[in-house]
Amino acid sequence: QQQVKQSPQSLIVQKGGISIINCAYENTAFDYFPWYQQFPGKGPALLIAIRPDVSEKKEGRFTISFNKSAKQFSLHIMDSQPGDSATYFCAARGGADGLTFGKGTHLIIQP
Amino acid sequence: GAGVSQSPSNKVTEKGKDVELRCDPISGHTALYWYRQSLGQGLEFLIYFQGNSAPDKSGLPSDRFSAERTGGSVSTLTIQRTQQEDSAVYLCASSPEIALYEQYFGPGTRLTVT
Repeated sequence: QQQVKQSPQSLIVQKGGISIINCAYENTAFDYFPWYQQFPGKGPALLIAIRPDVSEKKEGRFTISFNKSAKQFSLHIMDSQPGDSATYFCAARGGADGLTFGKGTHLIIQP
Repeated sequence: GAGVSQSPSNKVTEKGKDVELRCDPISGHTALYWYRQSLGQGLEFLIYFQGNSAPDKSGLPSDRFSAERTGGSVSTLTIQRTQQEDSAVYLCASSPEIALYEQYFGPGTRLTVT
């Protein structure tokens, strides 16, 4: 049972455009939703995270939008740059254990 | 400061052999997590430690997998009688007690079972 569904699997965006990655979850006990960025050969790096008591969180060019009733959240990357090309994972957590990850989105920003 | 470190970075082993993977968490982090990342897949949670204890071992894929943590710091993930399906990148993460939800990952150990 996949508890966090992520889409699209891959995404190509022109430099300067907006990259949007979506995730949906099933477990209503989840109360923390981070996004991770992973470059080839590296471990995932925490990018931004949100809790369900807010609908949006912005940090620089990165924004998380959260819809609790729909059990969906998304990552928006504004003014996308070639250096943003990486694999992005959404995740969710409820309780004192590990994160449940989506399967990842391979993002390519074309110059 | 130093991040999470893992060793070895790469490990090639023959089917049936045992392997040990090591994780050094960020200094002072009380929680430690192990994940497995298979090619083209997301991360699969295996086990976590709060201090030296692991409250829930149900995420380990089989009884060939075990993990321990000593002194509230270094952790070792051991895979006995390795199988080809064990080939993956094994990632370790740690969290500070004041922000247990924020997990910081190491670079991983790429395990190849031939």
